[in-house]
Amino acid sequence: SQLAEENPWALSVHEGESVTVNCSYKTSITALQWYRQKSGEGPAQLILIRSNEREKRNGRLRATLDTSSQSSSLSITATRCEDTAVYFCATDPSSGSWQLIFGSGTQLTVMP
Amino acid sequence: ETAVFQTPNYHVTQVGNEVSFNCKQTLGHDTMYWYKQDSKKLLKIMFSYNNKQLIVNETVPRRFSPQSSDKAHLNLRIKSVEPEDSAVYLCASSSSGDSDYTFGSGTRLLVI
Repeated sequence: SQLAEENPWALSVHEGESVTVNCSYKTSITALQWYRQKSGEGPAQLILIRSNEREKRNGRLRATLDTSSQSSSLSITATRCEDTAVYFCATDPSSGSWQLIFGSGTQLTVMP
Repeated sequence: ETAVFQTPNYHVTQVGNEVSFNCKQTLGHDTMYWYKQDSKKLLKIMFSYNNKQLIVNETVPRRFSPQSSDKAHLNLRIKSVEPEDSAVYLCASSSSGDSDYTFGSGTRLLVI
């Protein structure tokens, strides 16, 4: 099974609505990252939240982290069509770790 | 422009051929990575390399090999491609001890 997993698998909203993607992970972490991947592009980092942080914001984006339940959420307010993408959470298992462990992604579609 | 650049964007080849993909980063990072993204969007680490150490994911078949001339370049060679190698190959870079990863736009490989 995946060490990190987003849910739901897919979401559709209309422009202007808010949406939340959830992530659960199974390892201890030093940080958790949220990425966005648009069609034909590589993943782009949105927010990095460290294990000692509970919330982080970046414009219309807000990430939360609960290390006790090993879960995180990414909320997007006032969605736009250009927010249509696959959203991944990725965990950084330990300091000096050589890899990010990605979840399976949530496909978000924002309709006009 | 500072970024991670990958070539080619697409490559179609026949089973048994050898292929090589290029990756260059102009961010001044000292660590580079190759990830494989399958048709379900799952991202799996293949290699990590900095000027001190190559780390190989032990699940990667031996026909795959990374090639680096300096810390700004990490190419990927596949000796004898097989149908299951069809995927998007993503190159990324970061600085040691830093969780900020930058990805390239990927090379899409189709093996027929």
